[in-house]
Amino acid sequence: ETGVTQSPTHLIKTRGQQVTLRCSSQSGHNTVSWYQQALGQGPQFIFQYYREEENGRGNFPPRFSGLQFPNYSSELNVNALELDDSALYLCASSSFGVPTGELFFGEGSRLTVL
Amino acid sequence: AQSVTQLDSQVPVFEEAPVELRCNYSSSVSVYLFWYVQYPNQGLQLLLKYLSGSTLVESINGFEAEFNKSQTSFHLRKPSVHISDTAEYFCAVSDMNRDDKIIFGKGTRLHILP
Repeated sequence: ETGVTQSPTHLIKTRGQQVTLRCSSQSGHNTVSWYQQALGQGPQFIFQYYREEENGRGNFPPRFSGLQFPNYSSELNVNALELDDSALYLCASSSFGVPTGELFFGEGSRLTVL
Repeated sequence: AQSVTQLDSQVPVFEEAPVELRCNYSSSVSVYLFWYVQYPNQGLQLLLKYLSGSTLVESINGFEAEFNKSQTSFHLRKPSVHISDTAEYFCAVSDMNRDDKIIFGKGTRLHILP
C-alpha cells in the first residue's frame, strides 16, 4: 500500500509567479484535500476534490485552484503568488462517504515566495 | 461553522511526568473530534479520534482523550511521557453530517525535558 506522495518537496518562487503542486493519493482513496500550514499555525483547509470536482472550499481566493484526475491524483495551482503564500502545503487523501474522518497526509510541499 | 482552540502553544514537561494538552471546540452541530500528531520533519498522522460511543478514547502509544460535550472539550492526556513524544499536536473537528473538511487548531508543541 503506497502512501500519499507530494512533489516538489521544496520550491522557491517570486511574487506574481504561478506554482503547481502535485499529490498522489493513497491507493484505495478517492478524495483529496489540500491544506495550507503557515509557520507556527495549524493546517488551514483550502479545498477538497471528489470525483474530479471541488467538494467544499475554505476561505481562500479564486487564485487558488485545483484539479483531480481519474486516477485520483490532484494538483493545487496558485496564481499571482503573494509573500503570504509562503507555507507548507499539505495534501491528504481519504475515502469519501466513510465517516471516520481520518485523513492520510503527505509530507508536504514547502513553498517560499520572495 | 466549527472552530478549535488550543490555548497552549508550547508545553514543556519532564520525562516520565504526566501531561495534558487542552482543546476546546465550538460548533452548532454534532461533531467528530480528532488529535493529530506531527513528529519533526514528518507529515501529520492521526493519533486518536472520537466518533461516537465511549467518551474516552485511547491511542496505541498511551495517550487518551475524553470528549466532554457540556464543556465542549477534548483534552489529550498521557500519564507518563517519553522523549519520543516530542512533537506538535493538533486538535481537529469535523461536522458529523458533512464529509468535506476537518478544521484544525493552531497546535501545541510538546517539549520533553530530560
